[in-house]
Amino acid sequence: DGGITQSPKYLFRKEGQNVTLSCEQNLNHDAMYWYRQDPGQGLRLIYYSQIVNDFQKGDIAEGYSVSREKKESFPLTVTSAQKNPTAFYLCASSSGTGVNTGELFFGEGSRLTVL
Amino acid sequence: AQSVTQLDSQVPVFEEAPVELRCNYSSSVSVYLFWYVQYPNQGLQLLLKYLSGSTLVKGINGFEAEFNKSQTSFHLRKPSVHISDTAEYFCAVNPSGGSYIPTFGRGTSLIVHP
Repeated sequence: DGGITQSPKYLFRKEGQNVTLSCEQNLNHDAMYWYRQDPGQGLRLIYYSQIVNDFQKGDIAEGYSVSREKKESFPLTVTSAQKNPTAFYLCASSSGTGVNTGELFFGEGSRLTVL
Repeated sequence: AQSVTQLDSQVPVFEEAPVELRCNYSSSVSVYLFWYVQYPNQGLQLLLKYLSGSTLVKGINGFEAEFNKSQTSFHLRKPSVHISDTAEYFCAVNPSGGSYIPTFGRGTSLIVHP
């Protein structure tokens, strides 16, 4: 089945540690995204990538980093510089070819808790 | 730039009653419109989308939405809800020129009571 796989589903981290969230897609999509979700605040864009080896900051990129070395993969690192990292993180992709309607396909999410 | 307003943060309703979740948008260009549903601790999944053509769009799980260009609205409706419809619903808009970054509303929590 085609889709987006995020791992781990749940992650606990001590303050001061970096953590990396994995996102893999087998939809052959060009564009990939990372969103952060906090209760009552909807979705906030962290980073996005339209093609391999290129990515742009979203609205809340501070304290996060990404890479896009392969079309299928877009990992997110939450660094120790992120002041309030406890949140639900969502990875998404979109086709990016032809007319891009903006329809996103989401993974199941990763919940990060900082202890 | 686009913006999306979901007018209700929470909508409580009894099982088998009808429901409408409201979504208004602003844009200086033509748009594509989407509704997504998110169940607790899960990702978002597409309910329905308007790209062109008929303004009444039918989606999964018995939901439908109507695109009203003059009122810049895209309200989501279901004639009879089930307990299993309890979830967060997000409206999103993307300009038809092909932007890569859709704009999401803040979400509406639908709570269905028995």
